[in-house]
Amino acid sequence: EVQLVESGGGLVQPGGSLRLSCAASGFTFSSYWMSWVRQAPGKGLEWVANIKQDGSEKYYVDSVKGRFTISRDNAKNSLYLQMNSLRAEDTAVYYCARPVVGSIDYWGQGTLVTVSS
Amino acid sequence: DIQMTQSPSSLSASVGDRVTITCQASQDISNYLNWYQQKPGKAPKLLIYDASNLETGVPSRFSGSGSGTDFTFTISSLQPEDIATYYCQQYDNLPRYTFGQGTKLEIK
Repeated sequence: EVQLVESGGGLVQPGGSLRLSCAASGFTFSSYWMSWVRQAPGKGLEWVANIKQDGSEKYYVDSVKGRFTISRDNAKNSLYLQMNSLRAEDTAVYYCARPVVGSIDYWGQGTLVTVSS
Repeated sequence: DIQMTQSPSSLSASVGDRVTITCQASQDISNYLNWYQQKPGKAPKLLIYDASNLETGVPSRFSGSGSGTDFTFTISSLQPEDIATYYCQQYDNLPRYTFGQGTKLEIK
């Protein structure tokens, strides 16, 4: 059974940093692109970042470029999102997700990040 | 950037009704469009991929159609368990994605 379990969310002050983790199981993690998708409270879904199987290619939505870094450790079946210079508008539930040819077939349960003083 | 315009933003219908949601892309995206269902407090679930293909295990009352810039998602006979928010998502410019704004579906 495919499982994606996020952790690392919490309350952080504006300008602060946070690192999210996603533990993957039930599939060959190193064979798949991986994604982060977020959802602000009461709002819609927003794709945040993608990373290629070997980590050689990374893509970001414009609003997080230069502040967020997606990475992975295939030996640990883990995906990460390092978030720096956090802003109030980054407040959201962050989902770890597995895309397959453009369709996201598995999602984690999400972890809430709140940026507030 | 490709923009996705989804309508309506909310919809109220009765059990048994036929429900239709539309999604318009700002440029031709062929059939590179998916539809997701999200229930409150839950992660989204893929229902339709490549505009018209039903994901395994999804009831046949759900369907999708369209290509190019105009797409339609239909529930042929609304059931109480279909209450959710529905999103379209394009992937023409992989590996970047764009979601529509969502349609909140309620029971009348």
